[in-house]
Formats: sequence, C-alpha cells, structure tokens
Amino acid sequence: NAGVTQTPKFQVLKTGQSMTLQCAQDMNHNSMYWYRQDPGMGLRLIYYSASEGTTDKGEVPNGYNVSRLNKREFSLRLESAAPSQTSVYFCASSELSGAKNIQYFGAGTRLSVL
Amino acid sequence: GQQVMQIPQYQHVQEGEDFTTYCNSSTTLSNIQWYKQRPGGHPVFLIQLVKSGEVKKQKRLTFQFGEAKKNSSLHITATQTTDVGTYFCAGRFSGGYQKVTFGTGTKLQVIP
Repeated sequence: NAGVTQTPKFQVLKTGQSMTLQCAQDMNHNSMYWYRQDPGMGLRLIYYSASEGTTDKGEVPNGYNVSRLNKREFSLRLESAAPSQTSVYFCASSELSGAKNIQYFGAGTRLSVL
Repeated sequence: GQQVMQIPQYQHVQEGEDFTTYCNSSTTLSNIQWYKQRPGGHPVFLIQLVKSGEVKKQKRLTFQFGEAKKNSSLHITATQTTDVGTYFCAGRFSGGYQKVTFGTGTKLQVIP
C-alpha cells in the first residue's frame, strides 16, 4: 500500500507562476486535507474535503484553490505564486467517522517561490 | 479562532533524561491526538485520547488528557536518540467535524 502520495516532492517557482500540487490516497478514505508547515507555526490547514464532492476553507485559504477530483485525489492549486507561499505542503487523508479521524500524511512537497 | 497552544517550542535534553511537552486549549476538546515528525519526514500518528482524565502508555511514552479535556501532555522517560523529532498535538473541537487543529509543535533534540 502506497498510502498518501504527493507529487512533486520539490518545486521552485518564480513569483506569479502557477502550479498544482497533486495528492492521491489508496486507503479508501473519505476526508482529505492540505496543510502548510512553516518554522514555528506548526501545521496550518489550508483546505479540506470532508467527502467526495465537498471542499471547505481551513485556517489559511487565501491564494489557494482545491479540487476534489474523485474519492482518491485532492489537488491544491496556486494561481499566482508569492514568496509568502514558500513552505512545505502536506496532504493528508482520514476516515469519515469522527472517532477515527486519524490523519495519514504524504511525504510532503517542498516549495520555494523566488 | 480555536487554537491549540503547545509548549515548549524547543527542548534539548541529554540522552537518558526525561522530556515533557504540553498542549493547552481554551475550549473543550472532543479528543486529542499526538503525532511525531522525524527530521525531514512527515507527521506520523502516535495515539488518540478521548476520555476525560485518560492516560495511555506506549513503552517509554505516557500520554495524558486533562480532566476538563482542555489540556494534554506527552512524557518520554529516559530519552533515546531515536526520540529526536517534532511532537505535535492535534485537538478536535466539538462540532469540528473532520477538522483537527494542530499545536505549534515541540522540537526535541537528544544529545548523546
């Protein structure tokens, strides 16, 4: 089982460029999440999808868009990258049941915006 | 907004010493989870606490959930170099559906 797979692992962008971070899970989980991790800030939720067909904003959604393509895939798009979006991005998934919302994380995407 | 505060931010210990990290919320939590992230890695689930006053142990790790379900702690007895990493708590608030709110993490360095 691959678990949660993120692509790419590393990316360097210039300010104003766009890109999409891909995430796929093979655990048949209903819920998926995008976080960013910055030094001293912990993990901050950008967007989440409680189930296929739904998406909701998290704590820091500005500058991002998401698409829940199907149950397996949840992508994060930066339309016009800014240096403040330099960060490590993690995708995670969990079962729908509230008591079992253990999050399984991908390996992360390290993004630098110059 | 709903926040989960975690202290300390950093901790350096000599190998063999004990280590504790604390998590606090101003609002009652439905449950709390703990994750460990090794340097360069991704967060990995350790444990979930649900009941008021709950205490769980995993070998040298002891997890506690406060009576009021507003705070939690992780204690490591006799640290080893393999304990190096960042430890995060993640609290789920009532009505928070599928979201959890992560603490800022405690980075543990173990000096051999």
